[in-house]
Formats: sequence, structure tokens, C-alpha cells
Amino acid sequence: DAKTTQPPSMDCAEGRAANLPCNHSTISGNEYVYWYRQIHSQGPQYIIHGLKNNETNEMASLIITEDRKSSTLILPHATLRDTAVYYCIVRVSGGTSYGKLTFGQGTILTVHP
Amino acid sequence: DSGVTQTPKHLITATGQRVTLRCSPRSGDLSVYWYQQSLDQGLQFLIQYYNGEERAKGNILERFSAQQFPDLHSELNLSSLELGDSALYFCASSVAGLLDGNTEAFFGQGTRLTVV
Repeated sequence: DAKTTQPPSMDCAEGRAANLPCNHSTISGNEYVYWYRQIHSQGPQYIIHGLKNNETNEMASLIITEDRKSSTLILPHATLRDTAVYYCIVRVSGGTSYGKLTFGQGTILTVHP
Repeated sequence: DSGVTQTPKHLITATGQRVTLRCSPRSGDLSVYWYQQSLDQGLQFLIQYYNGEERAKGNILERFSAQQFPDLHSELNLSSLELGDSALYFCASSVAGLLDGNTEAFFGQGTRLTVV
């Protein structure tokens, strides 16, 4: 699976947009970009995923660059409950990895009042 | 609530013992994944089952084993436990995860294992 690079930590003010970057310069054409978050030792929570088009759901938006080498997760109005570790993962479709998710170190997002 | 159920939530046991962790996947999900998260460590993939068959193996010790039963629930068996096996163990499930990367996986709340 392609490796990802994320900043180790970020801060955001409550009510503002949180923009979390991820670099995945070695991504292959059949690899999806996934975002998960983990709030204080709870089970990781799925946020969003995409292949090459931008995606939006009730939790967040995912912006993938045209060359697919990087992406940004956007939490439009961050709240204190969004404080968590955010993981950007590229996940292969097909092959022998059978869709497993390989987690890196993630970005610790701290939302301040 | 992700729909993935793990039991027990907490487990304290002594070194050298054997324990079994149980995972019930979401209804309809055929794939089950097991992950280990030690203190200050990231989530390490252990093993994946798809419809009863082992499909992928990660950093799983020989002292650990898993299986997925016909009703699709899975068990992770940890034997000859050592202090270093203390960790959170998460189970995840997804509909496919076989050849399709376009399916999200949902995680349970984990089992916290403490070896004393």
C-alpha cells in the first residue's frame, strides 16, 4: 500500500474549519484515500473516502488533488468533540492485501474553545 | 454505534495464561480484521478473515491465532501471555474487503487486555 505523510499535530479554534493535509505521492491508480479518526482509545471511526473526485458527507469533505498525490480532509465547523487522532490511509483495491487498512501515526487535532 | 460488537470490554489476566477475544461483525459483513494497539503505538494489523477463510496476515505472533466461524463471528486467541501483550485489541468488519477497496470498514470499541 502507498505510504502517507501527515503532520503530527494541528490546532483549530472551535467553530472554524479544520483542514487536515495528507501526502500520498506514491499512490496507485486503484488505491482509495480513506480517513478515519480515533477519539481517546475508542475504536477508529470511519469518516470519508474517495478515489479521485472530491467527496462530501455529513461529517466532512475530502479534497483530492488532480494528480492524486495529496488530499485534504475538511471539517467545516470543528467542535471540541472533534479532538482526535486523524488517520489518512490509502487502501488498495484488488491484489493480495485484500483491502486491509494500514494505519500510520496520524495527526493529533486539538480543537480549542 | 458501529454495529461491531467486541467482548469482553476489559480483561485482566496473568502472564502465561490464555485468553479469547470475541468479535461479532455488522450484519451482512463478510470480512473481519483484527488490530492491536499498544500504549503509545499505532494500530497494527494482525489478521483478516473473509467468509471463514484467512485472507491476509500482518504482524501476528505465533502465540496468537484467530478464526472466523460459519455465523461469521470471529475469535482471537492469545496464549502464553506476556506483559508486552497488554494492549487494546480492535476488531473491524466490512462487507467485502476481498478485491474491492471501495468499502469502508467499521471498528468495534475494542477489548482492553492487561497482563499482570
